[in-house]
Amino acid sequence: AQTVTQSQPEMSVQEAETVTLSCTYDTSESNYYLFWYKQPPSRQMILVIRQEAYKQQNATENRFSVNFQKAAKSFSLKISDSQLGDTAMYFCAFSHNTDKLIFGTGTRLQVFP
Amino acid sequence: DAGVIQSPRHEVTEMGQEVTLRCKPISGHDYLFWYRQTMMRGLELLIYFNNNVPIDDSGMPEDRFSAKMPNASFSTLKIQPSEPRDSAVYFCASSPHPGRDRASGANVLTFGAGSRLTVL
Repeated sequence: AQTVTQSQPEMSVQEAETVTLSCTYDTSESNYYLFWYKQPPSRQMILVIRQEAYKQQNATENRFSVNFQKAAKSFSLKISDSQLGDTAMYFCAFSHNTDKLIFGTGTRLQVFP
Repeated sequence: DAGVIQSPRHEVTEMGQEVTLRCKPISGHDYLFWYRQTMMRGLELLIYFNNNVPIDDSGMPEDRFSAKMPNASFSTLKIQPSEPRDSAVYFCASSPHPGRDRASGANVLTFGAGSRLTVL
C-alpha cells in the first residue's frame, strides 16, 4: 500500500525568507503523481503544485518549487520569499492512476512578520 | 464555474440523529470523492465515484455511513445514526477524466469548502 509521510508537524519562517517542507512516500509503482495542497484557516484545500513521476524536471509555480528525488522517494516543497498569506497547513499527496489521493498528515507553516 | 459546492457548511446535531451532507461537483468532472478530516486521523478517503458508480468504498467506516450519486451533478453522504466520534470536517472533491485532459489538470482534485459536522 502507498503511504505518504510528513515528518515536520510544524515549521516557522520569517517573511521574505525561504522554507522547505519535507515529504517522503512509499510505492512500488513507477508512474504516479505527487501534489502539495495548502489549507489556510478558511479550511479550503488549494492545489499548490503537482509533479508527474515520469518527468525529471522539477515543477515550479511562481514562488513554489519542488525537489523531486524519485530514487529516494522524496518530494519536498520550497517556498521562496515567504509571505504572511502562506501561513497554512500544507499536505503532501500521492496518486496512482486511479485518481485517488493519499495524503500525508500535514505540516503547519507559520510565517512571521 | 462555481467550483465544488457543499452543503451545509456547518451542522450541529445530537447523537442518534440522521445527517445528510450534499455535494455538487464541477460540471464535466467524471470523478467524485468524499474525504473526512480529523485531528487524529488527518484526511481519509471515504469513497469515490467514477461516472456516478462507486469504485472504492473501503474507507467507509461502518454501515452507519452511506453515499450515493444519483446523477452527475449531485452526491450525498449520509450518517445514520450519528455518533460523537463522527464529528469532523467532510470534504467533497471532483476531478476530470485523466485520459481526456491529461495535459491541463487530469488527476487534480478540486475540493469544496467542506462541511463541519459536530455530533453532541
